[in-house]
Amino acid sequence: NAGVTQTPKFRVLKTGQSMTLLCAQDMNHEYMYWYRQDPGMGLRLIHYSVGEGTTAKGEVPDGYNVSRLKKQNFLLGLESAAPSQTSVYFCASSWRGPDTQYFGPGTRLTVL
Amino acid sequence: DAKTTQPPSMDCAEGRAANLPCNHSTISGNEYVYWYRQIHSQGPQYIIHGLKNNETNEMASLIITEDRKSSTLILPHATLRDTAVYYCIVRVTGSARQLTFGSGTQLTVLP
Repeated sequence: NAGVTQTPKFRVLKTGQSMTLLCAQDMNHEYMYWYRQDPGMGLRLIHYSVGEGTTAKGEVPDGYNVSRLKKQNFLLGLESAAPSQTSVYFCASSWRGPDTQYFGPGTRLTVL
Repeated sequence: DAKTTQPPSMDCAEGRAANLPCNHSTISGNEYVYWYRQIHSQGPQYIIHGLKNNETNEMASLIITEDRKSSTLILPHATLRDTAVYYCIVRVTGSARQLTFGSGTQLTVLP
């Protein structure tokens, strides 16, 4: 039981490049989330999903897209990366509601 | 969700109990108190939650005052690995509203 895993762990992009972050969970959770955390700040919700095939916007969705084609996977895409998107990205999942979430180890993204 | 107030930082000696306070004076009757922590460079970790009765699990104890306006998270025998930012969150269980992580308390366990 690996819990929540994130791929890749580190990535450096140039401005304008695109990439996809993968989050996978093996706990059969319905809900999945993507957060970003900037230095010295709390987590901010980007997008979330309440089930396979569904997505919804969080607090800071601009510049990101997501997809939940399979229940166990939640993808976060950056179509045209900007330096303001340099951050640590955390994925999380939960069984039903957002009360008790299990987080992945994070992806450190740097946009030059 | 009710607003919470936590001290920005605290120190604790290794092996001693760490008592982390949280003030939530505007909590309503159906709101629970949740605690998460985030060890440096890792994802947050759920610790415990409660409504009005004291709760205990393998990680910690949660003491909620009778008027429910404040609570204390207790780590009974703090270790260096407990150094982390601890977040107190108040919310209605089952609410669709997403978790909001504030600034939390930086707990430093000293050797």
